[in-house]
Amino acid sequence: DAGVIQSPRHEVTEMGQEVTLRCKPISGHNSLFWYRQTMMRGLELLIYFNNNVPIDDSGMPEDRFSAKMPNASFSTLKIQPSEPRDSAVYFCASSLTWDQETQYFGPGTRLLVL
Amino acid sequence: AQSVTQLGSHVSVSEGALVLLRCNYSSSVPPYLFWYVQYPNQGLQLLLKYTSAATLVKGINGFEAEFKKSETSFHLTKPSAHMSDAAEYFCAVTVYSGGGADGLTFGKGTHLIIQP
Repeated sequence: DAGVIQSPRHEVTEMGQEVTLRCKPISGHNSLFWYRQTMMRGLELLIYFNNNVPIDDSGMPEDRFSAKMPNASFSTLKIQPSEPRDSAVYFCASSLTWDQETQYFGPGTRLLVL
Repeated sequence: AQSVTQLGSHVSVSEGALVLLRCNYSSSVPPYLFWYVQYPNQGLQLLLKYTSAATLVKGINGFEAEFKKSETSFHLTKPSAHMSDAAEYFCAVTVYSGGGADGLTFGKGTHLIIQP
């Protein structure tokens, strides 16, 4: 199995630009999670989906952040407009079902907003 | 809401010595607890998990953890440290709600340093 795939692995952009992060979960997994990791705040859950439906987006920091899951094999996390404080590593994780506790993490996208 | 506290942002042990990483949790309902490891510039890898079965849980790479409800703890141990164990370790908790598991709530992490 290829594991969770994230792209790009690194992104450098300027403040005000739109940023789109992509995630392909493990085939057959029905739950998908987006996390953000920073030095100051550690690992934070942003949003998670079950069967492509957003279940809890209370961790999304601001309206500038949005996430979609148009199908079972693809999700996006978009930041528009981006700000320097959005600089972080963004992880996507998937699990077999909503009640399967083990989440498998992708390698992350390292975002730097200048 | 549930939370996790990891005591010690950095732990240094000698190669061959006992590894002990501390984790305490807070949850109003029975929790599910996890330890993940993160190597530099990589994603998180599951070491082990507690899901209300046996309180002593064995994981990969010789690690184990014991769930102690009375102490609200889930400390991670390994009898003999190896240089390859140097990494960041995260304790995490989730609970079931609304018929399914919530996302993970992570501790701040503990950086394990192995001295030769």
